[in-house]
Amino acid sequence: EIVLTQSPGTLSFSPGERATLSCRASQSITSNYLAWYQQRPGQAPRLLIYAASGRAAGIPDRFSGSESGTDFTLTISRLEPEDFAVYYCHQYGSSPFTFGPGTKVDIK
Amino acid sequence: QVQLVQSGAEVKRPGASVKVSCKVSGYIFSGYYMNWVRQVPGQGLEWMGWINPNSGDTNYAQKFQGGVTMTRDTSISTAYMELSRLTSGDTAVYYCAIADYSLDAFHFWGPGTMVTVSS
Repeated sequence: EIVLTQSPGTLSFSPGERATLSCRASQSITSNYLAWYQQRPGQAPRLLIYAASGRAAGIPDRFSGSESGTDFTLTISRLEPEDFAVYYCHQYGSSPFTFGPGTKVDIK
Repeated sequence: QVQLVQSGAEVKRPGASVKVSCKVSGYIFSGYYMNWVRQVPGQGLEWMGWINPNSGDTNYAQKFQGGVTMTRDTSISTAYMELSRLTSGDTAVYYCAIADYSLDAFHFWGPGTMVTVSS
C-alpha cells in the first residue's frame, strides 16, 4: 500500500499570498496518478488536479500541480478567500487507492 | 450536468447493516466507475472500493473485504454500497464518486450520506 504524507497539517496564509502544499509518496506512483482535492467545511471533496499536473474542468488557473519523483506539490498562486480549506492528495495508480491526511490552509 | 444524489442519513445499531444509494444523472451510468469513500467526522478520506456499473465487477479495499458489498441497478442509474456488521468505528460520511476508468481520479462526488452507529 502506498502511504502519502502531507506535512505540515496546517498552513497559515494571508489572502493574496502564494501557498505551496506538499505530498510525499512512500514509493513511486504509476504514471504519476496523483490527484489533489479541496474540501470546504460541510462539503464533499472537489477535484482540482489529476495526473499530478492536469487541471480539472472549471478549476481556476491559480491552482497548479507538479511532481519530482515521489514528491508532489500543489501551488495556489494567489489565495482567494474561498481557497481556505483542507487539501488532500490521492494516489490512484495502484490498489488500494490511498489519500494523504490532508493539509488545512487557514487564514493568518 | 453530472449529478450524484445520495440517500439520506441513517442511524443504526451495532451489528446491523446499512445500504447507501447513489443515483446519477447527466452522464451514461454504465460508462464510468463508481467509487465509495468514507470520512470519519473530523478525519481524512478512506477509499472503500469501486464497482464497474457496466460489468458489475468490483474491487474492494482489503480492509473492507467481507464486510462491504457494492452493487448497481443500471435500469435506474443507481449504485449501492452495503456495509454489514456495523460498529461505532463505521460512523462516518459515505461518499460516492465517479471515475472515467478503473485507474482515474474522482471527477465528481456525491454530497455524502451520514451513517451513525450507536446503541
